Amino acid sequence: DSGVTQTPKHLITATGQRVTLRCSPRSGDLSVYWYQQSLDQGLQFLIQYYNGEERAKGNILERFSAQQFPDLHSELNLSSLELGDSALYFCASSAQTGQGETQYFGPGTRLLVL
Amino acid sequence: GENVEQHPSTLSVQEGDSAVIKCTYSDSASNYFPWYKQELGKRPQLIIDIRSNVGEKKDQRIAVTLNKTAKHFSLHITETQPEDSAVYFCAAHFTGTYKYIFGTGTRLKVLA
Repeated sequence: DSGVTQTPKHLITATGQRVTLRCSPRSGDLSVYWYQQSLDQGLQFLIQYYNGEERAKGNILERFSAQQFPDLHSELNLSSLELGDSALYFCASSAQTGQGETQYFGPGTRLLVL
Repeated sequence: GENVEQHPSTLSVQEGDSAVIKCTYSDSASNYFPWYKQELGKRPQLIIDIRSNVGEKKDQRIAVTLNKTAKHFSLHITETQPEDSAVYFCAAHFTGTYKYIFGTGTRLKVLA
C-alpha cells in the first residue's frame, strides 16, 4: 500500500457525461500528479499540483480540469466524455517538487465510457 | 520538448538469464530517473531510481546505469524469475518544467 488513495475504483458512464475522480496523497506530500493510461499503453502525464497551485501541465484535454484543495486532496474532472476517454487514471504524490522525488502511485480509477 | 524513448517494447528471456531495458531522454537538465514495475491492472511500483550525480546503483538483482553524456539510462535484471514478468517503465524528471515523462514501457516475459 503506497498511502495514496483514489476513489472510486471503477466508474461506468455514458458519452457526454461528466465525472469527478478523487485522490488523497500520502500524509505530508505536497505534490499530486495525474496520469492517464489507456489499454496496453504507457502513462500519459496530465497535470501536476503543488501545495494547491498548478505546477506543470501535460497533454491534458480542455474537457479535463483538476484542482488541489487546501487539505491537499485533488480532484480530476472529466467532462463531455468520449469513448476514447476510457482508461485507467492514476494519481501519484511526492513530498515536494523541483528536485525530482519518488512518486507514489494510487491504485487507480478505471473509467469505462459506453 | 520533453521526451523519453524506451526499448525494447517486448522482451522474452529464459528464467535465470539477464534482461536489459534501455531509455534515452531529451533534456540534459533531467536529474532523476526512476524505474517502475507494473503488473496487469495494478499501480506502477518503484523498483529502483537514480539521480544525475550517480552513474550506477544496485539493489540485489536489479541495477540501473546512467550515462549523462549520452543521455541514456538502463535497467539490468539478473537471474530473472517468472515473477519478474511485468511491464517496466522508465521515467525522467525534467527540472525546467517539473514534469515526469514516462517511456512507453517494456513487456518482460520470463519463461520457466
